[in-house]
This record gives sequence, structure tokens and C-alpha cells, in this order.
Amino acid sequence: EAQVTQNPRYLITVTGKKLTVTCSQNMNHEYMSWYRQDPGLGLRQIYYSMNVEVTDKGDVPEGYKVSRKEKRNFPLILESPSPNQTSLYFCASSLRLPNTEAFFGQGTRLTVV
Amino acid sequence: QKEVEQDPGPLSVPEGAIVSLNCTYSNSAFQYFMWYRQYSRKGPELLMYTYSSGNKEDGRFTAQVDKSSKYISLFIRDSQPSDSATYLCAMSGGSNYKLTFGKGTLLTVNP
Repeated sequence: EAQVTQNPRYLITVTGKKLTVTCSQNMNHEYMSWYRQDPGLGLRQIYYSMNVEVTDKGDVPEGYKVSRKEKRNFPLILESPSPNQTSLYFCASSLRLPNTEAFFGQGTRLTVV
Repeated sequence: QKEVEQDPGPLSVPEGAIVSLNCTYSNSAFQYFMWYRQYSRKGPELLMYTYSSGNKEDGRFTAQVDKSSKYISLFIRDSQPSDSATYLCAMSGGSNYKLTFGKGTLLTVNP
């Protein structure tokens, strides 16, 4: 089954404790991205990757890091999480540009206390 | 001015009604226009996309794009309770084809 898999689905952590949210897709897609979804603000792009070893900032990259060492994986790293990073996070992948059909993961609900 | 504006609703309609959802945008570089549906506690899923101006129909769903007015619409005919969800418009274009989303409209179809 074609899918984008995120882990964990739910996470509660403390301020400053480094964490990684994993994302994996099994569709051989080139384009992957991370979004956060907040009430009243909608979906905002954090980082994206057009292919292996090619990443770039989206609209709200501060406090996040990503890497793309393999085509299928695109982890999101929060090196020192803060409460304002409490949000619902989605990973998405698209076969290639122009990025018209993005497949989304199920989401990761992160709470930073 | 925000790049993409979408009325958040909520919108509540009776079963069988025709639903109209809309977005406006300001970025002339947008060329691809998409509608996503998001059920509660799920990731968004693509409903349909349109390139440039025009109409596209898929079953009970029709997407319309008017680039001259920078206005896109999604119509749902014979709405069903299973259509109850948040509908997100999204657009892409320019140098990196980044998806820019509207904030979403919450739709409830009442039996």
C-alpha cells in the first residue's frame, strides 16, 4: 500500500530535550516536505526536499532541522524544543514537481511542556 | 495581504445541498490549484487539482479556477454526511512549486 508513515503519532516532551520525528514513504517520490498545522494559522511549510541531499527552508524553519540521506526518509529534528513548537506536524511526499499530488502522513501531535 | 485567503466557516448544510467553497489568492505565479479534504485526526488527502483556468469535474465534485479574478471554487453536489470534513485549498507555482494552503473551511453535512 502506498503510504507516508510518520512516527511517533503522539509525543509529549520537555523543553530542551532533543527529539526526532521520522517520516518514510514507499512510493519512490522525489519531493518531500514537513508542515505544521496550528488553529487559525493553517498548514505552514517548515522544510522541503527536492531530492536526496537537497533541502531548503520553507515558511517557518526556525528551530527545526531536516536531512535527506535516502530518498524514502525525511526526518524532522527539533534540537531544543520549546513550547511554541507544540503543534500537529505532517510529512508529505510528491512524485516530483510541480507537486500537484502530495500524499500526507497521518500526523504527529507534539506537545512541549 | 495574505497569499491565500479562505473563509474558515464553519459551514453547516443539510444532506443533499449544493456546497460552494472558495479561496482567493494574490500571487500571480500560482499555476496549479488543488483541493484537499481533511477528516478529523487525519492527514489531508487530495480531492482534485486544476492547471491554470477552467473547470474540472470528478463525480459530485467540480473545481473552478478563474485566474483573472484570482479566485477558485469547489462545488459539492448532493452533499452527504460523509463529506463532513475540513476542505483546504492549495496552490503552487513559481521557482520551487511550494504548496501554499488556505486555512481550511470546516463543513458539516447534516442527515
